[in-house]
Parts: sequence; structure tokens; C-alpha cells
Amino acid sequence: KQEVTQIPAALSVPEGENLVLNCSFTDSAIYNLQWFRQDPGKGLTSLLLIQSSQREQTSGRLNASLDKSSGRSTLYIAASQPGDSATYLCAASMDSNYQLIWGAGTKLIIKP
Amino acid sequence: SQTIHQWPATLVQPVGSPLSLECTVEGTSNPNLYWYRQAAGRGLQLLFYSVGIGQISSEVPQNLSASRPQDRQFILSSKKLLLSDSGFYLCAWTRGAAEAFFGQGTRLTVV
Repeated sequence: KQEVTQIPAALSVPEGENLVLNCSFTDSAIYNLQWFRQDPGKGLTSLLLIQSSQREQTSGRLNASLDKSSGRSTLYIAASQPGDSATYLCAASMDSNYQLIWGAGTKLIIKP
Repeated sequence: SQTIHQWPATLVQPVGSPLSLECTVEGTSNPNLYWYRQAAGRGLQLLFYSVGIGQISSEVPQNLSASRPQDRQFILSSKKLLLSDSGFYLCAWTRGAAEAFFGQGTRLTVV
């Protein structure tokens, strides 16, 4: 059974720092992996989608990598800003069905 | 472009009352549709998903039910709400196992 884990559960860093959020999964037979952002009391916004055949995806200051063999994905945020403060969730889509397996999220606080 | 609408944004209901949350998708056809619940400070729990009209898969046995009367409409219902049904409910859609898009959520408080 696939399990997705995000560490740390919370992270607070000063503005301007580069940071990495981690996502690990137990079953490497994923179809894709997605990173989402959730602001308090709001829905989820898709940030990056990495297909299983890809190693990374980039969007602006965000870069997501995928290493299926080690069961890891990372979300790299460059030059962090207070507006980046949110909860970041990763989810793995499995080959066998259309369901997403979710991590519990990392709550990120960027201090001005 | 595709959009997803979910309403209402907030809802306060007494224990024992019925529930109906609606989600509609625009700009795509034959989407996979999902209902999730997110308890405070916790991850997302998949409640129901649907790959077509009238096709509903339930992930968690509970006090809730879902229906898909039209291709782009997904409804979450309950006949009698429990206190434990309180939470943040999210609707989402995908095309196959591709990128997922979410509605803005409904904050349900059962009192």
C-alpha cells in the first residue's frame, strides 16, 4: 500500500532563503507526482506535476524533482518571499487507478 | 479554460439535518471527479470518486453519499449529519491520472 510522507511538518525561515521541501513515497510504481499549495481556509492550487518519466519540472522560482528509485520528490523554492507562506502538499498518482495518495503537508512560514 | 465551482463556501448545520454540497466543472468533458475531506491540521481523506455518470466509488464507509447526475456535476449528500461530519470539503477533477484541480472548498460546521 502506497504511503506518502512529508517532512518536516512545519518550517519557518527568513525571507530570501532558498529552501527544500521533502516528499517520500513507499511504492515507486507511480504514474506522476504533484505538488500543491494550500492557503488557510482555501482550496488547493496545483504547482507542479512531474510525470514518472520526468526527473524535474520548473515554474518560476519553483523546481520539483522526482527520483522514483529512491522514492523521493523535492520542491525547491528559490529566494523565498512572505507570500510563499502556505501549506505545501505532495500527492502521488498510482498506475492502477486514478486516486491520489496524499502527504500530510508541510506548513511553511516565511518571516519578513 | 477549465474551471471548477463548489458551493456553498461555508455552512453551519444542526446535527440530524440533511446536507447537499454541489460541485460543477466547466470547460472539459468526462472528467474524473472527487470529494475529499480535510480535518483541521490533517491531510486529505478521499471520500468518493467517480469516473463517469452514475459511477461512484466510496473509499470510506460513513454517513455520507455521493451522486453524479450529469457528466460535470458531483453532489455530496447526507440524510442526517453527525458532529463528526464537520470539516473542510473539497471537490476536485482530473482527466485520467493527470493534473488535479480543486474547488475552493466548503467549510462545514455541524452544531
